[in-house]
Amino acid sequence: EAGVAQSPRYKIIEKRQSVAFWCNPISGHATLYWYQQILGQGPKLLIQFQNNGVVDDSQLPKDRFSAERLKGVDSTLKIQPAKLEDSAVYLCASSVSPRSRVSEQYFGPGTRLTVT
Amino acid sequence: GESVGLHLPTLSVQEGDNSIINCAYSNSASDYFIWYKQESGKGPQFIIDIRSNMDKRQGQRVTVLLNKTVKHLSLQIAATQPGDSAVYFCAENNAGNMLTFGGGTRLMVKP
Repeated sequence: EAGVAQSPRYKIIEKRQSVAFWCNPISGHATLYWYQQILGQGPKLLIQFQNNGVVDDSQLPKDRFSAERLKGVDSTLKIQPAKLEDSAVYLCASSVSPRSRVSEQYFGPGTRLTVT
Repeated sequence: GESVGLHLPTLSVQEGDNSIINCAYSNSASDYFIWYKQESGKGPQFIIDIRSNMDKRQGQRVTVLLNKTVKHLSLQIAATQPGDSAVYFCAENNAGNMLTFGGGTRLMVKP
């Protein structure tokens, strides 16, 4: 089966600019996650969707980050305005349902964001 | 807050030797742990998991050990191969299928 798709793979922007990332989960996966992975650290969960509803966004910096999954399939993550500390890899993952074992959470290749 | 962490940032081993990667966790209520492998430019890939009612679980060339007394988790890789070179993360499953990752250990395999 096709994996989690993300685009773009790389993005370089200046601080205070805006940027958007796109994720297409594995077909049939109801749950979608966005993670931020700063260089040298483990991924940190930003937001979790179940279909088109938000399950948890407690670690999402809502003053500048937003995410949506309008039709319960694809998702976009936006940063506006970007700061230098937002430089990281943004990972998207999906799973069949939140009740599935966490081992069924599949990750995409990520988008590497560099803010200058 | 409570978190999952790793003892060693980098581990270098000879090809064919066994590797042991360690992880300490602080949330005594954690009941499910996962090891992930992350190669350069890729997302994390599931390796093996273990529930807190177990102390050992084996996969293909990999074994995870859980010591709840000292809140310690380890990943053992037998006959380490060049393809095992990557960053390894332990992760703790929280309620609602949300993962908390540790900081990662880089495994380097010398030919």
